Amino acid sequence: DAGITQSPRHKVTETGTPVTLRCHQTENHRYMYWYRQDPGHGLRLIHYSYGVKDTDKGEVSDGYSVSRSKTEDFLLTLESATSSQTSVYFCAITSGQVNYNEQFFGPGTRLTVL
Amino acid sequence: DAKTTQPNSMESNEEEPVHLPCNHSTISGTDYIHWYRQLPSQGPEYVIHGLTSNVNNRMASLAIAEDRKSSTLILHRATLRDAAVYYCIPVSGNTPLVFGKGTRLSVIA
Repeated sequence: DAGITQSPRHKVTETGTPVTLRCHQTENHRYMYWYRQDPGHGLRLIHYSYGVKDTDKGEVSDGYSVSRSKTEDFLLTLESATSSQTSVYFCAITSGQVNYNEQFFGPGTRLTVL
Repeated sequence: DAKTTQPNSMESNEEEPVHLPCNHSTISGTDYIHWYRQLPSQGPEYVIHGLTSNVNNRMASLAIAEDRKSSTLILHRATLRDAAVYYCIPVSGNTPLVFGKGTRLSVIA
């Protein structure tokens, strides 16, 4: 199994509070991604990173920010959580060019915003 | 992004082969075709990928049509553990994966 962990695994928070989810990898992979998954939807890309301090927006980036100050950590922040951000969040990593390489996914973080 | 069409659901008997189809008629000549699956309550996992030739690995086989407008993921002997949602994803260069709704495979003992 790829060395990718997510923390916390479960979180319940209240509307308006800030939340940070952490993705940690031990593979030294260059590319890291944050997805969310809601019932009836496939995974949707929030943000991704192609190197330290290099990030870009995905399909559903509104209300989220990210930071990557070290190769191994990719943080996803909800500055002011809303109920619409209740979801399961998956982190993923890829070693090289996406079309040639497989992507490894973390176990997910289940976030509930009350 | 190339658009894909997959059946919403399929059913198979245990220990029988399963053929999961995917149409990707707008795929470009350099897009790879990736397949991922997601078991219940887990993150997706890579299954296989290819460009033009048929591909085999320990999990599955990938058959790609000559015109590349469709592909078929083949599980040679379905087990209960293969019950999952299977995603077919054309991948272009370094662009992130775009997941559709996939095919939910049920395996009957």
